[in-house]
Amino acid sequence: GAGVSQSPSNKVTEKGKDVELRCDPISGHTALYWYRQSLGQGLEFLIYFQGNSAPDKSGLPSDRFSAERTGGSVSTLTIQRTQQEDSAVYLCASSRDSHNEQFFGPGTRLTVL
Amino acid sequence: QKEVEQDPGPLSVPEGAIVSLNCTYSNSAFQYFMWYRQYSRKGPELLMYTYSSGNKEDGRFTAQVDKSSKYISLFIRDSQPSDSATYLCATAYNFNKFYFGSGTKLNVKP
Repeated sequence: GAGVSQSPSNKVTEKGKDVELRCDPISGHTALYWYRQSLGQGLEFLIYFQGNSAPDKSGLPSDRFSAERTGGSVSTLTIQRTQQEDSAVYLCASSRDSHNEQFFGPGTRLTVL
Repeated sequence: QKEVEQDPGPLSVPEGAIVSLNCTYSNSAFQYFMWYRQYSRKGPELLMYTYSSGNKEDGRFTAQVDKSSKYISLFIRDSQPSDSATYLCATAYNFNKFYFGSGTKLNVKP
């Protein structure tokens, strides 16, 4: 079956612009996670959704970052006024529920010039 | 101090060798421990999952957790060139938030 998909696969933007990253989880998965992976760094947890709700937003690096999930399915991570330090691979994962294996998408590689 | 520390490597071994990958963690409340494998330009995939202390074996892979020393290990027996990847450890105390190591890059030479 289809796995987690993310779009775009690559995004190059100029400093100060806003970007939207999309995640389509596996159908029926209620839990959805966003991570950031910078060069040479591990995965940095950003936010977790159970259904459409995000119980803990403390992982978001700044108030320029926001995320939403609608219909218990697609999620969008928005970065406003991008900075060069936002350059990273943004990974999305979904799981059947919060106590099951996470399946990762291929990621969106964001480059801020 | 980071919640999870992992030697970045790279680690280079000959085919057939036993590989030992390790992480340390800081929070004694962590009770879920995972190992992921990540190939270049791909998302991580779950290899092993352990709850609390002890060993877990799956084929050529063994995961070990020592909560007294806050140390987690992954052993790969009879390593193969196809095992060449980055291996990430991860911990959590609930499933709302996960903490990952920085990953160890492994190269298995034919």
